[in-house]
Amino acid sequence: GQQLNQSPQSMFIQEGEDVSMNCTSSSIFNTWLWYKQDPGEGPVLLIALYKAGELTSNGRLTAQFGITRKDSFLNISASIPSDVGIYFCAGQTGANNLFFGTGTRLTVIP
Amino acid sequence: DSGVTQTPKHLITATGQRVTLRCSPRSGDLSVYWYQQSLDQGLQFLIQYYNGEERAKGNILERFSAQQFPDLHSELNLSSLELGDSALYFCASSVVPNEQFFGPGTRLTVL
Repeated sequence: GQQLNQSPQSMFIQEGEDVSMNCTSSSIFNTWLWYKQDPGEGPVLLIALYKAGELTSNGRLTAQFGITRKDSFLNISASIPSDVGIYFCAGQTGANNLFFGTGTRLTVIP
Repeated sequence: DSGVTQTPKHLITATGQRVTLRCSPRSGDLSVYWYQQSLDQGLQFLIQYYNGEERAKGNILERFSAQQFPDLHSELNLSSLELGDSALYFCASSVVPNEQFFGPGTRLTVL
């Protein structure tokens, strides 16, 4: 199946700092999504991207759909303690299942 | 709250046993997806149903099966359980194919 690699695997940042993480694939996707998962909970959809080059914001979060359709990045500005969690990218080629990345674990130090 | 419900929240059972996990999708969503998440791993797609019919299959073992009922709720059946089946099992639903909303998951522990 498709392999999605996320980097970095983990991040420790100070509250107030900006965060950047990305996701790359060997395959082309038609849709990129970013999810956040808190421990023991289900992933929560943050942002969905549908067109190559698209840049979309949701509050302090900004995500971009790479021009090659093989990558995407997520930025979080002015991080706060509740941003702690694991961030997953996911790609979709058709109308069916998502292929998830390996995750970036974010720790925010107050 | 995503609107997707899953029961039970926790399940502890022994090797060789069979369990059934249940999912109720968001109101109006016809598609249900099942995913498995092992410890500190990403989510692996298992199977998708759309309006009662199987639509796509992922890395689902032959010991696992699922179905979607006329009221659109879905069940995932896991049989001949092994220690390695211990994981979080998530159900997701969608009306727009791309935007899947996940339930809180069922944590399965096989002893």
